[in-house]
Amino acid sequence: GQNIDQPTEMTATEGAIVQINCTYQTSGFNGLFWYQQHAGEAPTFLSYNVLDGLEEKGRFSSFLSRSKGYSYLLLKELQMKDSASYLCAVLRNQAGTALIFGKGTTLSVSS
Amino acid sequence: DAGVTQSPTHLIKTRGQQVTLRCSPKSGHDTVSWYQQALGQGPQFIFQYYEEEERQRGNFPDRFSGHQFPNYSSELNVNALLLGDSALYLCASSLEGGAYEQYFGPGTRLTVT
Repeated sequence: GQNIDQPTEMTATEGAIVQINCTYQTSGFNGLFWYQQHAGEAPTFLSYNVLDGLEEKGRFSSFLSRSKGYSYLLLKELQMKDSASYLCAVLRNQAGTALIFGKGTTLSVSS
Repeated sequence: DAGVTQSPTHLIKTRGQQVTLRCSPKSGHDTVSWYQQALGQGPQFIFQYYEEEERQRGNFPDRFSGHQFPNYSSELNVNALLLGDSALYLCASSLEGGAYEQYFGPGTRLTVT
């Protein structure tokens, strides 16, 4: 089976750095995605990791350790608009390319 | 370049009824996946269509069925609606054999009363 865990809620202040963790157990792992979802909107792609290590993209970075079944999303220089749900999703390597999502982490950024 | 589009935006149905939701993939994409997102939860995979066939299916009953047309657009059908089917239904498109990034549409909010 598959299991993806991430914290339910996190809070931070503008300008700060926050790290959202994600642990997973799944068969047929073929990569991990992070999506951002504002309330009432569709998820938007943030990052994709398939190899171990850190991927940096502007204020956002994502890390993957396949041996530990662990990933994190790092958000720097937080802005109010970063208040959203952050979804960790594992890509299963079976026939097709289904994304298996965690429940999401709701991040609230205050001034 | 149009992204993923879905229709309708919102829908209210009664228990026992049937519903059809529609999705047009991003230009150039040939694979469509459907997800159900209950309030406060992450999206759950329903099924994926490629080359007009259901290629992979999640843990959803047979009441959930779909179709993909030659132009790659897709429909999701749900029969015998239950109150628990109330959710945001998301369509995502991707390019088979290429990058695995899935682009999501704005979703259809289904309310079953």
